[in-house]
Amino acid sequence: DAGVIQSPRHEVTEMGQEVTLRCKPISGHDYLFWYRQTMMRGLELLIYFNNNVPIDDSGMPEDRFSAKMPNASFSTLKIQPSEPRDSAVYFCASSFSGARGYTFGSGTRLTVV
Amino acid sequence: DQQVKQNSPSLSVQEGRISILNCDYTNSMFDYFLWYKKYPAEGPTFLISISSIKDKNEDGRFTVFLNKSAKHLSLHIVPSQPGDSAVYFCAAWNQGGKLIFGQGTELSVKP
Repeated sequence: DAGVIQSPRHEVTEMGQEVTLRCKPISGHDYLFWYRQTMMRGLELLIYFNNNVPIDDSGMPEDRFSAKMPNASFSTLKIQPSEPRDSAVYFCASSFSGARGYTFGSGTRLTVV
Repeated sequence: DQQVKQNSPSLSVQEGRISILNCDYTNSMFDYFLWYKKYPAEGPTFLISISSIKDKNEDGRFTVFLNKSAKHLSLHIVPSQPGDSAVYFCAAWNQGGKLIFGQGTELSVKP
């Protein structure tokens, strides 16, 4: 099993540009989570999906953030337009129903200049 | 509002000694707690967990203690090793079916 796969590993973009982060969950997992790591708030849940349907997006900071899960093996997190304060490490995680823990990807380090 | 709090951003310990990482929570409905470990440039990985019906769970050098009345849990690492140097996240299972994480504590174990 390749685990949760995120791409790109690093992204540097200019303020105002659109950024798209990608995630492939573990096959068979029906939950997918997007987290953001910051010094102040630690691992902050942005949004999660169950069976490709968004369940809770209350952690999405602004309308500039959007997430989709078109099928069971792919999800995207998009920021448009990006701002310097969006600079952080973004993690994707997946799990199956009944599991109490998640498997995380290696993260995407986003830098907005 | 931060429901899971790790008030110590960093901790430095000598190799061979005990490391104690602390975590406080505010929601008495949390019924399951986990510790994750994160190395630089990697995602967090599961370390150890504890159900709210227990007050202690041990796995090798790692022990987690839960004090429900104080809404406090701690992770003990004995003996500490340089390879334990990492960021440790405390997490609580929300009734809504999601993990709520703390801010993390960076542990440095010095040889």
